Amino acid sequence: DAGITQSPRHKVTETGTPVTLRCHQTENHRYMYWYRQDPGHGLRLIHYSYGVKDTDKGEVSDGYSVSRSKTEDFLLTLESATSSQTSVYFCAIKRDRGRGQPQHFGDGTRLSIL
Amino acid sequence: AQSVTQLGSHVSVSEGALVLLRCNYSSSVPPYLFWYVQYPNQGLQLLLKYTSAATLVKGINGFEAEFKKSETSFHLTKPSAHMSDAAEYFCAVSAEGGSEKLVFGKGTKLTVNP
Repeated sequence: DAGITQSPRHKVTETGTPVTLRCHQTENHRYMYWYRQDPGHGLRLIHYSYGVKDTDKGEVSDGYSVSRSKTEDFLLTLESATSSQTSVYFCAIKRDRGRGQPQHFGDGTRLSIL
Repeated sequence: AQSVTQLGSHVSVSEGALVLLRCNYSSSVPPYLFWYVQYPNQGLQLLLKYTSAATLVKGINGFEAEFKKSETSFHLTKPSAHMSDAAEYFCAVSAEGGSEKLVFGKGTKLTVNP
């Protein structure tokens, strides 16, 4: 158990509304990541964080923002949701620094934007 | 830049048959490689990782993978498929440059027929 909780697990909302997804970890790990998973695309990195208030963009960051004010929480915000952002979103953490260290994933949030 | 190619988006085997899932990577530095498994409606779970200690890596659930530098491959195998192996499998390589990121392949969905 990697100690990662994503909330909500499911959400349906309408185009143009703001949406915030939360990733909470219990083990004070430094690195946290947000991915989206879509059929035929695998996992694509949206944003990641390497510490409190330290974040960087991934390959599909347009339309998304993140915040990390506490070590344990990494928030993903869709300021004005669009139907193209319908997806399954995964949070991941990385326990230690180094290229050989794996990431560990939460159970995902299924987001539908109508 | 690194990339991962998983040959075959869908693989179907009979129960008891050999499982072979293919992964080829590109990297300009010595790679660190990972295989993850995703069961329906769940997050990704680490199966095994290659971090240069040994070219044949054993993972959970009877899976293993062999790193072949000359072929830039890291194929995943299991001698005898079980119904419970039905899932999607992702290969990933660590990004270069100290970014602490992973680059994922698009995934291979394994079906096991009785």
